[in-house]
Amino acid sequence: AQKVTQAQTEISVVEKEDVTLDCVYETRDTTYYLFWYKQPPSGELVFLIRRNSFDEQNEISGRYSWNFQKSTSSFNFTITASQVVDSAVYFCALDSIQGAQKLVFGQGTRLTINP
Amino acid sequence: EAGVAQSPRYKIIEKRQSVAFWCNPISGHATLYWYQQILGQGPKLLIQFQNNGVVDDSQLPKDRFSAERLKGVDSTLKIQPAKLEDSAVYLCASSLFQLLGNEQFFGPGTRLTVL
Repeated sequence: AQKVTQAQTEISVVEKEDVTLDCVYETRDTTYYLFWYKQPPSGELVFLIRRNSFDEQNEISGRYSWNFQKSTSSFNFTITASQVVDSAVYFCALDSIQGAQKLVFGQGTRLTINP
Repeated sequence: EAGVAQSPRYKIIEKRQSVAFWCNPISGHATLYWYQQILGQGPKLLIQFQNNGVVDDSQLPKDRFSAERLKGVDSTLKIQPAKLEDSAVYLCASSLFQLLGNEQFFGPGTRLTVL
């Protein structure tokens, strides 16, 4: 079965703190993709990053970084020097062949950055 | 490039009434998805179209939900009759084509409240 677990339901930090959002996934596929999406109060899901199962290199984009570890089936997301505009719900998602190429989402983590 | 458009943004109905949602995907995108997002959960795929054909509707409650994508462009999702548990945000997404790892672009969603 394809499954994504985001154990942190809500996180609240003060602006400029670093924060890490955890994502653990389950799949028997050897070929799969992992995604992170951001859902601001406006409602639409905004794509942040995609990583395929053969690329374990960490990714950094400005204040955002992602740590993909196949050994622990995790794809964690870190925001450095958080800002109020980072406040949103963040979703991790899995796309795999056995999942019939459907995105399977985690429950989401609501991140609140306080000024 | 215009994004995925959805209407209405909000809808309040009483149980047993009917409701319809409309989605206009990004121009040229062959694949269209409808998701249901219940409060506090991640989106769940209801139905996926490739052009005007249904690829996957395994999680669509077919006794009350129906969807169509005439001419392979716009799509309509209908609920008849609505139940209290249908209260959710209905998200439409599109992608260029159906391929593992393809990025999906999401609309702002329609928030349905069933009283």
